[in-house]
Amino acid sequence: DQQVKQNSPSLSVQEGRISILNCDYTNSMFDYFLWYKKYPAEGPTFLISISSIKDKNEDGRFTVFLNKSAKHLSLHIVPSQPGDSAVYFCAASLNQAGTALIFGKGTTLSVSS
Amino acid sequence: GAGVSQSPSNKVTEKGKDVELRCDPISGHTALYWYRQSLGQGLEFLIYFQGNSAPDKSGLPSDRFSAERTGGSVSTLTIQRTQQEDSAVYLCASSSTGGAIYEQYFGPGTRLTVT
Repeated sequence: DQQVKQNSPSLSVQEGRISILNCDYTNSMFDYFLWYKKYPAEGPTFLISISSIKDKNEDGRFTVFLNKSAKHLSLHIVPSQPGDSAVYFCAASLNQAGTALIFGKGTTLSVSS
Repeated sequence: GAGVSQSPSNKVTEKGKDVELRCDPISGHTALYWYRQSLGQGLEFLIYFQGNSAPDKSGLPSDRFSAERTGGSVSTLTIQRTQQEDSAVYLCASSSTGGAIYEQYFGPGTRLTVT
């Protein structure tokens, strides 16, 4: 039973437009969420994170929104660039002293120029 | 500086054989994690080392899997009597302190294929 779900396996966006990647979770005990980006043949790289006490965190073109009541978070990329084309993984942590990240299956983003 | 390195990058083995996968974390990182990604799946946590503490082995799928971390640095993941369902990309990550909230730096992974 998946605790972190990324229901869209792929997303295609035009350069300059907004990319919105979604993530749902089932465990209300999760209190920290992260997004990782992965290029082919490389390991995932950390992108942005958010604590459960916040509803928004912004870093340049990347913004993560958290809706705890809906158990939903989203990653917004504005404006999207062709170099953003990659697999994006949503991950959750049970507590700040916890050890394991629980990952979704990923969404492949394709940004066309 | 050097990132997390893993070897080999690819490994093909016959069912029933043992394999060893190596991870060299970033120098000075005290925490080391192993994950695997099976085809079409997300990353699945396997094991976590933090300093000299006993490792968190809660993610290991069976007793055929084991891992060591020698001298607080290099780690080896061993899979005994490999099965076809063990085929996956095995990823190692390290971080500068324990706890999942801290940024984990991933290696490129080892692609294991069991025939």
